[in-house]
Amino acid sequence: QKEVEQDPGPLSVPEGAIVSLNCTYSNSAFQYFMWYRQYSRKGPELLMYTYSSGNKEDGRFTAQVDKSSKYISLFIRDSQPSDSATYLCAMSVGDNYGQNFVFGPGTRLSVLP
Amino acid sequence: ETGVTQSPTHLIKTRGQQVTLRCSSQSGHNTVSWYQQALGQGPQFIFQYYREEENGRGNFPPRFSGLQFPNYSSELNVNALELDDSALYLCASSLGQGITGELFFGEGSRLTVL
Repeated sequence: QKEVEQDPGPLSVPEGAIVSLNCTYSNSAFQYFMWYRQYSRKGPELLMYTYSSGNKEDGRFTAQVDKSSKYISLFIRDSQPSDSATYLCAMSVGDNYGQNFVFGPGTRLSVLP
Repeated sequence: ETGVTQSPTHLIKTRGQQVTLRCSSQSGHNTVSWYQQALGQGPQFIFQYYREEENGRGNFPPRFSGLQFPNYSSELNVNALELDDSALYLCASSLGQGITGELFFGEGSRLTVL
């Protein structure tokens, strides 16, 4: 079993749809949870960052963390064609090696106009 | 402020050769890490440098090595290249070695090993 698993996609939705992206993980020591967006031929860019369990909202994006189920989600409301990208979840135990993030394989999302 | 810049953007090498990839971190950032992203996969942590010293390493063999310079720029060196080393190599920088929030990635160097 991989340490972080993610729905592989690809996922195609019509413009305006609500998108749900999910990751599961096996390491209960993870405390920091991130979602990155990666456009084709670009580096990942941080979308959302949460510590421990709970919800966090930023505009059209909502991140949820359920540590008891080892499950995190990213919701995108009113999806736009510009949201078409690969979405990567990432996690860290938050030790001194702070940049040691474990990434999921990514879900490719296409939002059709 | 300037972002993370990497060079070269693309390169082709043959098996057994050596390669050096370069990274300039974002202005003011003192911690740099390198990731390998194979096609269709998420990035995998190679190592992290803080104040010119390696202080964290992922599951990569010793032929992957690096340097960080006093201006916080960094190099990734890979010796004895193998076909499986073909990937996008990403450099990321942040302020401080612990979790402080955003990790800024460059656009990567795409290495093809023939």
